[in-house]
Amino acid sequence: NAGVTQTPKFQVLKTGQSMTLQCAQDMNHNSMYWYRQDPGMGLRLIYYSASEGTTDKGEVPNGYNVSRLNKREFSLRLESAAPSQTSVYFCASRARGEGTEAFFGQGTRLTVV
Amino acid sequence: QKEVEQNSGPLSVPEGAIASLNCTYSDRGSQSFFWYRQYSGKSPELIMSIYSNGDKEDGRFTAQLNKASQYVSLLIRDSQPSDSATYLCAVNMGGGFQKLVFGTGTRLLVSP
Repeated sequence: NAGVTQTPKFQVLKTGQSMTLQCAQDMNHNSMYWYRQDPGMGLRLIYYSASEGTTDKGEVPNGYNVSRLNKREFSLRLESAAPSQTSVYFCASRARGEGTEAFFGQGTRLTVV
Repeated sequence: QKEVEQNSGPLSVPEGAIASLNCTYSDRGSQSFFWYRQYSGKSPELIMSIYSNGDKEDGRFTAQLNKASQYVSLLIRDSQPSDSATYLCAVNMGGGFQKLVFGTGTRLLVSP
């Protein structure tokens, strides 16, 4: 079982460049999430999608855009990368319902120079 | 102010001791609470979930919830060096309760 798959695993960008982080899940989950993790900051929610066709801002949405392409895929786009966006990015998915477990991808380590 | 707050630690305990991890949250309407464990360089994984006031036990782990105080905790009994990790508290928030917000995490160090 693949679960949640993120690509790429590592990426180095120059300031001002753009890129899209890809996330796909094969568990038929309704909800998908993008988090960033910085040292000492835990997981901060960037955007989430409670169901196909909807997206909502999280705690730190500035500088990011998302697309819920279909039920399986949820992408995160950096239009003009900044050094402050250097971080580890995690995608997660979970089934419908309050008490369901979130499953995480392996993370993408992004460095902006 | 973060919606979910944790002491970042590190919390150091000797092997065999009880480790107590705490979390407070801001949304009084929240109904579902989770504890995740994250080893260095790895993805978070679920340890326990809790929805009702009181205690919930699973092996060496006990989750405690007090909605009136907006407080949730995790106790780890007979701590082992393999329990050394960062423990993340997560809370379902917002309309529809699909907004899953995490705290900053508490780093636990269990010494042999």
